[in-house]
Amino acid sequence: DAKTTQPTSMDCAEGRAANLPCNHSTISGNEYVYWYRQIHSQGPQYIIHGLKNNETNEMASLIITEDRKSSTLILPHATLRDTAVYYCIVRTGTASKLTFGTGTRLQVTL
Amino acid sequence: GAVVSQHPSWVICKSGTSVKIECRSLDFQATTMFWYRQFPKQSLMLMATSNEGSKATYEQGVEKDKFLINHASLTLSTLTVTSAHPEDSSFYICSASPTGWKEKLFFGSGTQLSVL
Repeated sequence: DAKTTQPTSMDCAEGRAANLPCNHSTISGNEYVYWYRQIHSQGPQYIIHGLKNNETNEMASLIITEDRKSSTLILPHATLRDTAVYYCIVRTGTASKLTFGTGTRLQVTL
Repeated sequence: GAVVSQHPSWVICKSGTSVKIECRSLDFQATTMFWYRQFPKQSLMLMATSNEGSKATYEQGVEKDKFLINHASLTLSTLTVTSAHPEDSSFYICSASPTGWKEKLFFGSGTQLSVL
């Protein structure tokens, strides 16, 4: 699976949009971009995934650049409960395991 | 979403004893489950892939005789830490994908193991 690069940490004011970038310049054509988050002392929670089109669900939006070498996870209205470590992972659709990088620690503040 | 239940949430044991952790898929069947370990302030590290009805596949550097994995049914996988030592203290997390739906991987809530 391709490696990803994420900023170590980010801050966001409550109510504002949180934009978390991810670089995956070596992504292959059959690899998806997945986002998970982990709140302290809990198991990771699935957020969203996509192949090349932008995706949106009740939690977030995923914007993938046209060349697929980077993506951005958008939390439209961050709350204090969104404080967590966010992991960007690339993985083929048929592969089973997920390989976690270091992620971005998002701190949402008042 | 699909639910993966992990038990116990935390366990404290004496050095030299064995500890069993259970991972259940509550509303789906999972041919494959995964076991991860996470040390404080570090990322998740895959330990092994648990396959129903067959032997688990261990990642490089993970001792298979120390971390025994059994996946006897499509809804249950167990991880037994044998002869636990303080350095085995960690957060253990299991995960699973519904059979035929490998796109999504769901995680249990984790087990904090403390070995005294």
